[in-house]
Amino acid sequence: EAQVTQNPRYLITVTGKKLTVTCSQNMNHEYMSWYRQDPGLGLRQIYYSMNVEVTDKGDVPEGYKVSRKEKRNFPLILESPSPNQTSLYFCASSPWGQAWTQYFGPGTRLTVL
Amino acid sequence: KQEVTQIPAALSVPEGENLVLNCSFTDSAIYNLQWFRQDPGKGLTSLLLIQSSQREQTSGRLNASLDKSSGRSTLYIAASQPGDSATYLCAVEGGSEKLVFGKGTKLTVNP
Repeated sequence: EAQVTQNPRYLITVTGKKLTVTCSQNMNHEYMSWYRQDPGLGLRQIYYSMNVEVTDKGDVPEGYKVSRKEKRNFPLILESPSPNQTSLYFCASSPWGQAWTQYFGPGTRLTVL
Repeated sequence: KQEVTQIPAALSVPEGENLVLNCSFTDSAIYNLQWFRQDPGKGLTSLLLIQSSQREQTSGRLNASLDKSSGRSTLYIAASQPGDSATYLCAVEGGSEKLVFGKGTKLTVNP
């Protein structure tokens, strides 16, 4: 089954404790992206990757890091989480040139205390 | 910078009513526009995709129109049902594989 998986689905942590949210897709997609969703602000792109070892900033990259060492994985790293990073995070993937077919993961709800 | 606005932010209707959700975007140079559905705490499900050269798309009780020149799209839902209750998101693709989303319309259909 074609899918994008994210782990963990729910996470409560404390300020400053480094964490990683994993994202994996099984469709051999080139393009992967991270979004955050906040009430009243909608979905905003954090980072994206056009292929292995190619990443770039989205609209709200501050406080986040990503890496793309393998085509299937695109982890989101919060080196020193802060309460303003409490949000619902979505990973998405699509074949290059077909952004309209983006498959979205189920989301990770992160709470930073 | 592309901005996408959805009106209304929330809508509550009785079952069986026909309804229209609105989406507007500031830059008409888009490749396509897409309507998504999001259930509480869940991911996004694509409902309809309209390519920039198209005027409308239909799927079952859903019909989406696109007027690129005026920067507007509407999602028409016929004979609404309680199962249609969800948040509906509009997104445009303007290049660089990037989707720009509106903030959504939260729809409640009351039995």
